[in-house]
Amino acid sequence: GQQLNQSPQSMFIQEGEDVSMNCTSSSIFNTWLWYKQDPGEGPVLLIALYKAGELTSNGRLTAQFGITRKDSFLNISASIPSDVGIYFCAGRGGSARQLTFGSGTQLTVLP
Amino acid sequence: EADIYQTPRYLVIGTGKKITLECSQTMGHDKMYWYQQDPGMELHLIHYSYGVNSTEKGDLSSESTVSRIRTEHFPLTLESARPSHTSQYLCANSVEVLQYFGPGTRLLVL
Repeated sequence: GQQLNQSPQSMFIQEGEDVSMNCTSSSIFNTWLWYKQDPGEGPVLLIALYKAGELTSNGRLTAQFGITRKDSFLNISASIPSDVGIYFCAGRGGSARQLTFGSGTQLTVLP
Repeated sequence: EADIYQTPRYLVIGTGKKITLECSQTMGHDKMYWYQQDPGMELHLIHYSYGVNSTEKGDLSSESTVSRIRTEHFPLTLESARPSHTSQYLCANSVEVLQYFGPGTRLLVL
């Protein structure tokens, strides 16, 4: 099956800093999604990407669909305390009917 | 938004009890899903449905069962809860490839 490698596993950053995280897949994906999950809640969809090279923003968040179609990146600019949470990538490719989820990046923002 | 609801939000129950976790949606989407997630860990698909009377098992083997008698509801049942079932259970629906999640049910089996 399709596999996703998400990194880093966790990040500790100072408020105001920029953040980058990424996902790589073992196969070509047609769609990349990025979610954020707050403690005790369900994941919330942040950004969806459908085309290689696509760059999409949602406020301070920017995500990119890698040219090789095997990776995706999420950047958060000028981090704030409410950015704390777990960020998951997810993707689908080929004949797969279901999404494959990454293992998540736990983000901690220090004041 | 996909307006998806789960009840209860939290459940503490003794071993051997039968439980049903409720999941409902208001948008009438055909595709619905159940994921199991340990705290801070990845999501594992345990069941999905592509419409009424359609249910399939996901990638992670689960002792739970599901039903889809109506489009709006996709309940998950554990006939005999065990401590190993302690986890968070997330329900989702989808519009094309975009999945939208409910708030989850945190289950603790003593």
